[in-house]
Amino acid sequence: DVKVTQSSRYLVKRTGEKVFLECVQDMDHENMFWYRQDPGLGLRLIYFSYDVKMKEKGDIPEGYSVSREKKERFSLILESASTNQTSMYLCASSPRSPNNQPQHFGDGTRLSIL
Amino acid sequence: AQSVTQLGSHVSVSEGALVLLRCNYSSSVPPYLFWYVQYPNQGLQLLLKYTTGATLVKGINGFEAEFKKSETSFHLTKPSAHMSDAAEYFCAVSEDSSYKLIFGSGTRLLVRP
Repeated sequence: DVKVTQSSRYLVKRTGEKVFLECVQDMDHENMFWYRQDPGLGLRLIYFSYDVKMKEKGDIPEGYSVSREKKERFSLILESASTNQTSMYLCASSPRSPNNQPQHFGDGTRLSIL
Repeated sequence: AQSVTQLGSHVSVSEGALVLLRCNYSSSVPPYLFWYVQYPNQGLQLLLKYTTGATLVKGINGFEAEFKKSETSFHLTKPSAHMSDAAEYFCAVSEDSSYKLIFGSGTRLLVRP
């Protein structure tokens, strides 16, 4: 079965810390995505990657960066965590073709910045 | 830019009643449409998708949705609600040339005994 695994379900960090969220997929998918989910706002795309070492900004990239050194792994980095980055973070993946395939999601990381 | 509107942040139905969750999109080209469900403390799970072909799409757990191009709608229905259907539901759309999904703000479905 398809599996997207996020390294932590819950994470508590302090303001100013550098935070790493890890995501691994076992489906050999080319596309990977990072979203944040906030009540009443749905899911907003932070970054996505369509190949190893390739990335594109989503709708809300400010304060975040990403890394994709291997096809199966996509990391989200909060360079200097702030309280307004407290949120649920969801990772997803999808195959490149045929186009517009459904995205498969991990269970999410609930991140609190104190 | 693409947008997705889900009418009603909360919908409450009695067990056994019809479920209707509304989704409207803005698109000048035929879109690809998806409904996802999120149970508490979990990620999103695909319920159903419309790409091309038949406009009535059947999904998992007895849900279905109808693509109506003239109304730019893709409403989700289920004839008889079950307690286990209580969750948050998201409508999403993508365009032919994009890998990206645009999500609605979600509708939380409450099922009363």
